[in-house]
Amino acid sequence: DAGITQSPRHKVTETGTPVTLRCHQTENHRYMYWYRQDPGHGLRLIHYSYGVKDTDKGEVSDGYSVSRSKTEDFLLTLESATSSQTSVYFCAISDDLGYTFGSGTRLTVV
Amino acid sequence: GENVEQHPSTLSVQEGDSAVIKCTYSDSASNYFPWYKQELGKGPQLIIDIRSNVGEKKDQRIAVTLNKTAKHFSLHITETQPEDSAVYFCAARTNAGKSTFGDGTTLTVKP
Repeated sequence: DAGITQSPRHKVTETGTPVTLRCHQTENHRYMYWYRQDPGHGLRLIHYSYGVKDTDKGEVSDGYSVSRSKTEDFLLTLESATSSQTSVYFCAISDDLGYTFGSGTRLTVV
Repeated sequence: GENVEQHPSTLSVQEGDSAVIKCTYSDSASNYFPWYKQELGKGPQLIIDIRSNVGEKKDQRIAVTLNKTAKHFSLHITETQPEDSAVYFCAARTNAGKSTFGDGTTLTVKP
């Protein structure tokens, strides 16, 4: 989607390894979010950010950490990946109205 | 926290018929209700939204209604077309800035 990019688009990693997913925006929006999407669970919030260095936990934050050192970048880190973290991860940005989502990162933990 | 329930989980209609998806929310402080459409392999895309001071909003073949008293809102698609086939998500949001999503409805429009 225009203004928001996620990288990588696909990743396969081994259990126990660290993984970082990147979300980059060019819209200068204040709010950024990380969601995971799993069959039967819809979209579940992992972490979100109100601004630089201002982050908070969502409903499924265990095993994940985030950082936002610049307005345009929001990083999601799995410190030690587990098979239960196999999922599609979506970043979203907002200017206090609806969200604009990225195209997603499909992560497989083997 | 907020809880959003969405029904049905799957919906199949004939081309040209109408489709209705319903959501309920629990937090009376929620004041913004967007709907997203997700096509295969893509991220969800905002298609219509409604604020709590409005009861209904229309955009061509799509409409959303909100009943604040009952805490439910609905998406109505008229004259459905095969390209309307997708997964649809409702969401509810407070001034805190984060949205809670329903589990999604897979809509199939049969030609």
